[in-house]
Amino acid sequence: EDQVTQSPEALRLQEGESSSLNCSYTVSGLRGLFWYRQDPGKGPEFLFTLYSAGEEKEKERLKATLTKKESFLHITAPKPEDSATYLCAASRGETSGSRLTFGEGTQLTVNP
Amino acid sequence: DAGVTQSPTHLIKTRGQQVTLRCSPKSGHDTVSWYQQALGQGPQFIFQYYEEEERQRGNFPDRFSGHQFPNYSSELNVNALLLGDSALYLCASSTPGRTNSPLHFGNGTRLTVT
Repeated sequence: EDQVTQSPEALRLQEGESSSLNCSYTVSGLRGLFWYRQDPGKGPEFLFTLYSAGEEKEKERLKATLTKKESFLHITAPKPEDSATYLCAASRGETSGSRLTFGEGTQLTVNP
Repeated sequence: DAGVTQSPTHLIKTRGQQVTLRCSPKSGHDTVSWYQQALGQGPQFIFQYYEEEERQRGNFPDRFSGHQFPNYSSELNVNALLLGDSALYLCASSTPGRTNSPLHFGNGTRLTVT
């Protein structure tokens, strides 16, 4: 059975204090590893897709990396507006919109 | 360009009742998936609709059913509601014909079963 585990469950940072979130996965034939951001009362917002080990993608203060067993979301010099729950999800389907297996998320709080 | 829209935003039902949730996909998308997100948990896949047929299904009982219309919009129906069905129900759509195109989510329907 596919499994995605995120750590830590919650993380509190001071503004400017860089850190990383972890996503470990056990998925046979991984086709894509996705990162989403979710604000309270909202749906998940797409951030990145990673397809193969060694791949990296960046967007503003966020950088996502992928190995054969885990993915990291690095947050550099975070700001209070980066506070949200970050969700990791894995897919092994090839078709559009294939089912995603989500982790339980990391709730990030950035204090000013 | 409207994204994924869901209605209603909130709903309160009594145990044993039935509920219908609605979703309009993002413009240009033809595949719709439904997810259930319990409080403090990640979303769990319920099922996916494409070309008006259920294509994939997660580990949810038959009380959960759905439909997709010719205009690609979709409904999620839940019968014989249980207290444990209380959750945020998310609809997601994706681009046709692109491998692993990312899902675009709506803001969900918050269902409370009392």
